[in-house]
This record gives sequence, structure tokens and C-alpha cells, in this order.
Amino acid sequence: EAQVTQNPRYLITVTGKKLTVTCSQNMNHEYMSWYRQDPGLGLRQIYYSMNVEVTDKGDVPEGYKVSRKEKRNFPLILESPSPNQTSLYFCASSSGRAPRTDTQYFGPGTRLTVL
Amino acid sequence: GNSVTQMEGPVTLSEEAFLTINCTYTATGYPSLFWYVQYPGEGLQLLLKATKADDKGSNKGFEATYRKETTSFHLEKGSVQVSDSAVYFCVLGQNTGFQKLVFGTGTRLLVSP
Repeated sequence: EAQVTQNPRYLITVTGKKLTVTCSQNMNHEYMSWYRQDPGLGLRQIYYSMNVEVTDKGDVPEGYKVSRKEKRNFPLILESPSPNQTSLYFCASSSGRAPRTDTQYFGPGTRLTVL
Repeated sequence: GNSVTQMEGPVTLSEEAFLTINCTYTATGYPSLFWYVQYPGEGLQLLLKATKADDKGSNKGFEATYRKETTSFHLEKGSVQVSDSAVYFCVLGQNTGFQKLVFGTGTRLLVSP
């Protein structure tokens, strides 16, 4: 089954404790990205990657890091989480073959709470 | 810059009622337009899309027409079901070397039996 998986689904942590949210896709997609969803703001892009070893900032990258060492995986790293990073996070992927019209495939989401 | 405005919710309807969720956009160039749906506890999934002016996207009884003259992409369904209860996002997509998406804030639909 074609899917994007994220782990963990729920995470409660404390300020400053480094954490990683994993994302993996099994569709051989070139393009992967991370979004955060906050009430009244829709989804905002954090980082994206167009291929292995190619990553770039989205609209709200501050406080986050990513890496793309393998095509299927795109982890999101919070090196020193703060309470304003409490949010619902989604990983997404697409083929990248038709950027204007591609369908994005989203993971199930990771609800992060930073105390 | 590009933006998407959609009606605030929640939209509360009885089963079999007619649904309209309004969406308007501001964009340069020739964007594609999408409706994504988020069911409770799940990620977003594509509902329908239209890639050029006057295109109509349709899926699962939902329809939306890309209207360039009114910069709109309103979502409609003739008869909603309880299972349609979800959050609906109007999304604009452009090619900037990669797919740049701009999301509306989402409209929650609640359908009661």
C-alpha cells in the first residue's frame, strides 16, 4: 500500500530536549516536505527536499532542521524545542514530475506538545 | 503574494443537505487549485483538483470549478452524508521549480443524521 508514515504520532516533551520525528514514504517520490498545522493558520511549510541531499527552507524554518540521506526518509529535528513549537506536524511527498499539478500524499500527523 | 481565503466554519448541515464552501484566491501566473480533505485523526488527502481556468474537478459527489474571472474555486456537493464530516482545505499550487502550495485556513463541516 502506498503510504507516508510518521513516528511518533503523539509526543509530549520538555523545553530544550532534542527530538526527532521520522517520516518515510514507499512511493519512490522525489519531493518531500514538512508542514505544521495551527488553528486559524492552515498548513505552513517548514522545510522541503527535492531529492537526496537537497533541502531548503520553507516559510517557517526557524528552530527546525532536516536531512535527506535516503530517498524514502525525511526526518524533522528539533534540537532545542520551545513551547511555541507545540503543533500538529505533517510530512508529505509527491513525485515531483509535475510541480504545478502534483498530488501531495500526507502522513497521518504527529501531535507535539512542548512543556 | 499568493493567498487563499475560504469561509470560516464550522458549517453545520443535516444529512442530504446541499453544501457550498466558498474559496477565493489571489495569485500571479497560472496556478492549479486543489481541495484537500482531512478526516478526524488523519492526514490530508486530495479530494479534487483543477489545473486551468474553467476546468471542473470532481470526486465522491463533490465538484469545484476553476473560475478565473471571479478568482474562485467553490466546493459543492448536492447531498452530504454524515461520513463527509471533516475539515476541507482550499489550496493553490504553483511551479516555482518545485510545487509551492498555499493553504486556506480550512473549513470544518459537521453533518448530523
